[in-house]
Amino acid sequence: QKEVEQNSGPLSVPEGAIASLNCTYSDRGSQSFFWYRQYSGKSPELIMFIYSNGDKEDGRFTAQLNKASQYVSLLIRDSQPSDSATYLCAVDSGNTGFQKLVFGTGTRLLVSP
Amino acid sequence: DTGVSQDPRHKITKRGQNVTFRCDPISEHNRLYWYRQTLGQGPEFLTYFQNEAQLEKSRLLSDRFSAERPKGSFSTLEIQRTEQGDSAMYLCASSSVPGQGAKEKLFFGSGTQLSVL
Repeated sequence: QKEVEQNSGPLSVPEGAIASLNCTYSDRGSQSFFWYRQYSGKSPELIMFIYSNGDKEDGRFTAQLNKASQYVSLLIRDSQPSDSATYLCAVDSGNTGFQKLVFGTGTRLLVSP
Repeated sequence: DTGVSQDPRHKITKRGQNVTFRCDPISEHNRLYWYRQTLGQGPEFLTYFQNEAQLEKSRLLSDRFSAERPKGSFSTLEIQRTEQGDSAMYLCASSSVPGQGAKEKLFFGSGTQLSVL
């Protein structure tokens, strides 16, 4: 059973702080890693993806991947109340030719003004 | 282009009834996925179409579930003899085959929330 583990939270941070969200995965052969943001009652929205070890930055978001430790993280700098949502980590094994994603349960982030 | 569209947004049904959901993907997308999400959980993969061909089905998709994409455009997901355990958000996503060096990105619809009483 391929698994993706996330702390369900909530993770509470004050406005302007850095929010750090973490994810571990069990399938060592996983190739692609995604972070989705999901507001309550809404559909998941892709915000970051990463394939290689190291950091990838996009605006206020930085994704970090460590395949040896089977660990993915998402940093949100200058957190805003509008960032309050559930953040889903998703992993693709990469061996199907399509995106058969395995999602974690998500971490709920609360950014207080 | 208005994104991935799903209909209905909400469906309440009685146990044992049949229900059908519709998904209209982004027009140029030839890949279409169905996922299911229950409260407090992440989405779970159900099935995948490339054009009109259903290429993968999860073990979660029992014989009461059937999905079609008859002309490679919209898709339907039917659940027969619904059970209370079928209550969930059913999400459709679409994408296009990535070009050389590009990576596939899924775009999700707003989902159909099914409640089985």
